Amino acid sequence: KNQVEQSPQSLIILEGKNCTLQCNYTVSPFSNLRWYKQDTGRGPVSLTIMTFSENTKSNGRYTATLDADTKQSSLHITASQLSDSASYICVVSLNAGNMLTFGGGTRLMVKP
Amino acid sequence: DVKVTQSSRYLVKRTGEKVFLECVQDMDHENMFWYRQDPGLGLRLIYFSYDVKMKEKGDIPEGYSVSREKKERFSLILESASTNQTSMYLCASSQGAGTGELFFGEGSRLTVL
Repeated sequence: KNQVEQSPQSLIILEGKNCTLQCNYTVSPFSNLRWYKQDTGRGPVSLTIMTFSENTKSNGRYTATLDADTKQSSLHITASQLSDSASYICVVSLNAGNMLTFGGGTRLMVKP
Repeated sequence: DVKVTQSSRYLVKRTGEKVFLECVQDMDHENMFWYRQDPGLGLRLIYFSYDVKMKEKGDIPEGYSVSREKKERFSLILESASTNQTSMYLCASSQGAGTGELFFGEGSRLTVL
């Protein structure tokens, strides 16, 4: 069964600190993996996409990594800001048809 | 700027009422989706469409139907609302093969009393 597991479920950090969110998947055949950010009361917005051949990709203070062998991805947030408080959702695409598998998300709270 | 617009941000309905949730996208995207989002369950796919007048069931279609009469518009219909359909409903669109980026609307929070 295709699954995407995210950890931790929730996280509280102080402003200015770094954090890393994890995403493990069993989806096969793999096409790509996206990280979305969802602010409270809003729809998710794509942060980054990782394809099979990519190991690291940055988008400002967000850096995503992918290890296709171990089927793990991480999202590292550097120098966190209050505006980083949101849910972060990992979404994996199958390399067949149009199937997407969503992780349950990590809720991040950045405190001043 | 790309935009997916959902007609209502907040709705309160009574059990048994018919509910229409409208979604319009201005990006000429082929694919449109309806998800519901519940705490602890994440996003779950209700229905999707790859073309006008075409629809496919997602993971949880029971109690829902959809309509896509025009490319830019995808409607979700609850024929007879029930309390277990209280949820956040998210519409999304994408272009090309289904592995493309999803563009989401702001969401419609439905409460069924």
